[in-house]
Amino acid sequence: KAGVTQTPRYLIKTRGQQVTLSCSPISGHRSVSWYQQTPGQGLQFLFEYFSETQRNKGNFPGRFSGRQFSNSRSEMNVSTLELGDSALYLCASSLALAGARDEQFFGPGTRLTVL
Amino acid sequence: AQSVTQLGSHVSVSEGALVLLRCNYSSSVPPYLFWYVQYPNQGLQLLLKYTTGATLVKGINGFEAEFKKSETSFHLTKPSAHMSDAAEYFCAVSDKAGNNRKLIWGLGTSLAVNP
Repeated sequence: KAGVTQTPRYLIKTRGQQVTLSCSPISGHRSVSWYQQTPGQGLQFLFEYFSETQRNKGNFPGRFSGRQFSNSRSEMNVSTLELGDSALYLCASSLALAGARDEQFFGPGTRLTVL
Repeated sequence: AQSVTQLGSHVSVSEGALVLLRCNYSSSVPPYLFWYVQYPNQGLQLLLKYTTGATLVKGINGFEAEFKKSETSFHLTKPSAHMSDAAEYFCAVSDKAGNNRKLIWGLGTSLAVNP
């Protein structure tokens, strides 16, 4: 069974630009969660989608948005990039909602660098 | 508020020594508890989890953790550290959020194993 895939793996952007990251969950998984990981802040939850609906949201500004398609693939978008958005963005999928008993399966992440 | 505290952002042990990574939590309901590991340049993977039943949980790579309700702890241990255990370890707690459960993450503990 293929794991969670994220594209692209590396991305360099400049301040003010926008970026779209993609995540393909494990086949059959309906929940996709997004996280931002930075050395100083650890793993911070962005949002979770389940069956195309946003079910949970973290404390990030509106510049961060996401969506989920009918095949469970998900995208997240960051508009008007800031230097502080430089981070590893991780996607995780699970059968049920995150927070349930099920394990989350993580992709390798997209490393975003904002110059 | 629900929270997860991982004591010690950096832990260093010698090869063959006991590994003890601490996790304390606060939860408004019986929690589901997880330990994840992140090797360099990879996503996270599940080490072990507690949902119900036996409070001593065994995971992959020789790790185990014990759920102690009275101490609100879920510490991770391994009797003998191996060089390959060097990684970032995250504790997570599933707690109630409205009608759903939500995952709360600790900030992580970086484990170094010295030869």
